[in-house]
Amino acid sequence: DTGVSQNPRHKITKRGQNVTFRCDPISEHNRLYWYRQTLGQGPEFLTYFQNEAQLEKSRLLSDRFSAERPKGSFSTLEIQRTEQGDSAMYLCASSLSAWAGATNEKLFFGSGTQLSVL
Amino acid sequence: AQTVTQSQPEMSVQEAETVTLSCTYDTSESDYYLFWYKQPPSRQMILVIRQEAYKQQNATENRFSVNFQKAAKSFSLKISDSQLGDAAMYFCAYLGAGNMLTFGGGTRLMVKP
Repeated sequence: DTGVSQNPRHKITKRGQNVTFRCDPISEHNRLYWYRQTLGQGPEFLTYFQNEAQLEKSRLLSDRFSAERPKGSFSTLEIQRTEQGDSAMYLCASSLSAWAGATNEKLFFGSGTQLSVL
Repeated sequence: AQTVTQSQPEMSVQEAETVTLSCTYDTSESDYYLFWYKQPPSRQMILVIRQEAYKQQNATENRFSVNFQKAAKSFSLKISDSQLGDAAMYFCAYLGAGNMLTFGGGTRLMVKP
């Protein structure tokens, strides 16, 4: 078990292009989170999954952002029609939660995907 | 909505000395968790210490300890015997019923040899 894995590590794209990031959580973890971190700021919550169910998505920044976790294992975060303001570090975290509504405080973070939109 | 404030953008400490990082938060909840995370240049967030709000006793993890003042909504981190490897960004974070970690803006800690 190598922890939470995120790919790619870096992504450079042109404005208007679509990008997709992948997160592989720790294998037995049923909960997966996405955060965004801009330079000099703390991470900002985007969305999270309990298994394959997306339990909170109101914090996704716009309808250009979407996330999936089709089989309850890895997850993808897609940004359509990227804008320069989307440039940031996108962090994934996972945890093990006993039940869907449980507050789970032990998150393990990946190293993030750094997105640069030119 | 909950907010977390770290009023010290940067702090500096001499190696082997003690430093305290400040954090305040705002919430109407009575049950919650508070955390300090460390983010080194590798950008991976590493959990340093956590505190359950219902516990009056301050959490301690080796050289790291907190001063949790629930009424004042204050949660400071004390690092004793500072080491060069402690240099990093430190983030205070709040977790309530919504399962969304709310982070402060961070404090950059520099450790001087």
